[in-house]
Amino acid sequence: DSGVTQTPKHLITATGQRVTLRCSPRSGDLSVYWYQQSLDQGLQFLIQYYNGEERAKGNILERFSAQQFPDLHSELNLSSLELGDSALYFCASTVGGPRTGELFFGEGSRLTVL
Amino acid sequence: GDSVTQMEGPVTLSEEAFLTINCTYTATGYPSLFWYVQYPGEGLQLLLKATKADDKGSNKGFEATYRKETTSFHLEKGSVQVSDSAVYFCALIRLSGTYKYIFGTGTRLKVLA
Repeated sequence: DSGVTQTPKHLITATGQRVTLRCSPRSGDLSVYWYQQSLDQGLQFLIQYYNGEERAKGNILERFSAQQFPDLHSELNLSSLELGDSALYFCASTVGGPRTGELFFGEGSRLTVL
Repeated sequence: GDSVTQMEGPVTLSEEAFLTINCTYTATGYPSLFWYVQYPGEGLQLLLKATKADDKGSNKGFEATYRKETTSFHLEKGSVQVSDSAVYFCALIRLSGTYKYIFGTGTRLKVLA
């Protein structure tokens, strides 16, 4: 158990819909990263937060947005869903800042868009 | 910008064979280097790490040495087991600026009994 909790574990929805994925980081971790992993592809970095503020953006579509709340949990919002958005979405947390070391990953949220 | 390049997979080996998965990086300064492993149906987990040049990370029989002169961090294991079948990711983080974690594309390893 990494200590990072992601919900829901599985989600099936239709094209055009909107979903929210939630991540609770490890206790004490200030930094949260979101990644997308499609079938047979590597990890695509989406976005990173540190103590409530956005720190870095990767290949995140405009239809996607995220935020980190004062209690440090984070949500990834995916809207106007397309078939190609079907993927495993991982959240990971770490202490953050100069003490950043190991990333602790959740088990992922598997999104299927039909 | 910073980047990580690792060898294409899949890599298929027989049990007890020697494993090497190549990883090279591009980064300014002195990044920390990592290998993560993803077993089927699971999230990634840290396998080993090295934080400065010439450091050797090791865990579960796997080793990797931080080579600054060749900007490499190749993963090796002397004798693989079926249970090592997984996807392996090389990664780096530069401890300045945005602290963005950079991952390679992953290398799938399949070990046959």
